[in-house]
Amino acid sequence: GAGVSQSPRYKVAKRGQDVALRCDPISGHVSLFWYQQALGQGPEFLTYFQNEAQLDKSGLPSDRFFAERPEGSVSTLKIQRTQQEDSAVYLCASSFEALQFFGPGTRLTVL
Amino acid sequence: AQTVTQSQPEMSVQEAETVTLSCTYDTSENNYYLFWYKQPPSRQMILVIRQEAYKQQNATENRFSVNFQKAAKSFSLKISDSQLGDTAMYFCAWDFSGSNYKLTFGKGTLLTVNP
Repeated sequence: GAGVSQSPRYKVAKRGQDVALRCDPISGHVSLFWYQQALGQGPEFLTYFQNEAQLDKSGLPSDRFFAERPEGSVSTLKIQRTQQEDSAVYLCASSFEALQFFGPGTRLTVL
Repeated sequence: AQTVTQSQPEMSVQEAETVTLSCTYDTSENNYYLFWYKQPPSRQMILVIRQEAYKQQNATENRFSVNFQKAAKSFSLKISDSQLGDTAMYFCAWDFSGSNYKLTFGKGTLLTVNP
């Protein structure tokens, strides 16, 4: 595709529900990143994949957060038992030659 | 830990004028990359400009240029001939060696270009 795509663009969840956020990177990009952007803040790193290998998950805030990229292309960020503090925009980026290209993000609101 | 500080939460400028956004960072690394990203209200983050720390020459991209002061750990963005479409959040970011490593972002500066 022409750019990084993410779905859904908006997600409203009740506290305690599980959610899954999808990222389609630019075709051929080996590296993929997830970031969390709270309201009025800069994005914060969550996790990084190189192909299907998750090389860094140091930014995941709790064990309720889980990410996968089983075939080295599409990635899914899953949040279990959502809490209000999980409300944020979740950004995905894929990388080529050290340049990261971002998707439009998924805005998650937990009620 | 690496930190990136943007001390101007909001700025405004008149159309066609020049504005400078400030950024400082803290790192003990010698080789790294610095970036300015633009995030319009639609939320898609767009790369504006990139600077390699080992290069002394300041990067430029059309109306956008940087003033990189490595010793002072300062990396400011100058926008010349400001346009209405430049209205956005601007984020300064740091990347160790540019080797597909995670970006560390500042909190951003909201720039408004007034007609």
